[in-house]
Parts: sequence; structure tokens; C-alpha cells
Amino acid sequence: QSVLTQPPSASGTPGQRVTISCSGSSSNIGSNYVYWYQQLPGTAPKLLIYRNNQRPSGVPDRFSGSKSGTSASLASSGLRSEDEADYYCAAWDHSLSGWVFGGGTKLTVL
Amino acid sequence: QVQLQQSGPGLVKPSQTLSLTCAISGDSVSSNSAAWNWIRQSPSRGLEWLGRTYYRSKWYNDYAVSVKSRITINPDTSKNQFSLQLNSVTPEDTAVYYCARDFPWTAEDYFDYWGQGTLVTVSS
Repeated sequence: QSVLTQPPSASGTPGQRVTISCSGSSSNIGSNYVYWYQQLPGTAPKLLIYRNNQRPSGVPDRFSGSKSGTSASLASSGLRSEDEADYYCAAWDHSLSGWVFGGGTKLTVL
Repeated sequence: QVQLQQSGPGLVKPSQTLSLTCAISGDSVSSNSAAWNWIRQSPSRGLEWLGRTYYRSKWYNDYAVSVKSRITINPDTSKNQFSLQLNSVTPEDTAVYYCARDFPWTAEDYFDYWGQGTLVTVSS
């Protein structure tokens, strides 16, 4: 059971906008930044969004992040086939004094 | 370019100690800004941060509550690497283990470089 809660799956057609939610608590999302990682099969997770809504260089601007209270979301607008992957949210938890992750959302491009 | 190269056995017997090493190139384990982490991933537990080691005039370690009584992360400055030891393993510890770098308390406080991952199976 992951500390952060994500839906197990999400899907969309090419060009569509899809959002993935991440729910936490006051000790993690509510008081710290949220990060999003993308994981392709057989590879390590790769940073997609940091500090709630910042994109590292090289990440397409169709990906965006937001946070409100103890929840966050990742949006992919203009969905592409190469976006099919697992997505994980993460945050520092000051009660646990450690990083916590969501259970992951498998994004399928139909 | 930073690279993290993991090594260690893929099979460990129950009750024994899991040991993995992460060799660093392109950075230093003694960096005054980086932290060196171990993270694991399994179908049942998802991604789970295990702990980190970092140097800030002296060495510090932070461990996840879930494994605190069984884990040790040690730096090896002579080889520019760090290691993970997890004692008294059970089949629940079967997972892909990753090492990763981050920069806590900075604007780059995220895992930017990861090792290739090591599947460790706990089985007799």
C-alpha cells in the first residue's frame, strides 16, 4: 500500500488530454513539493516534473503539473504513442522523514 | 556525464544479508551537495525509498522507517561508491533495487541519475 494514491490506469487517444491524480496528506503533498517520474518498460524512472510544475530541459511542454492542498495532478495534452508508460508521483514526507511514492498509473494510448 | 553502475548478487537466501554496490562516475560520493540513495520497486510494494548517505563535513545517513532496523548504507571514498546492506531478508524483499542521486535542500532536489537496476530474488 503506497503512501500516495494514484489511479492504477488511465487512457486516451492520440491528441487527447489526459490527467493523472495523486492524493496525499498534510505531511507530504500538503507541505512539500510534488515530483512526477515516467517509467518505460525495463528502465529506471525518469524525472518528468519537479517542484509541482517545473519541467526539466528536454521534457516536452505537453506535460504539465499542478498541486492544490494535499493533491496533485499530471496532465499530458496532445497525447502521443510514446507517452505510453507508467507514471509515479513522489513527495518528501516529514512525518516519515523520507521520500514517498504513489503506486503508479499505467497510461495507455488507444 | 554521471553514471551509476550497480553490482551484486541476484539471488539471496531467506534470513541472509542482501548486499549491493553502486559505483559512481562523473561525480563524487563525498560531494557536499549530493545525496546517494537506494530505492526498490516490486509489484506488491511499488516504488519504495530505502535510505541515503551524504557528506556535509561529516557523513550522515537517513533510513526509511520500514527497514530502519535492518539497513546499512555505507560510502566507500577509496572506490567512489556506496553500498546497501539489508539484513534478515524475506521473500517480501524481492524487488528491483536502484541507486540514485539527488540534491536535497536545493532547487534540484529530485532523483536525476539512476543505476540500471538489479533484480534481487529472495528464495531458498
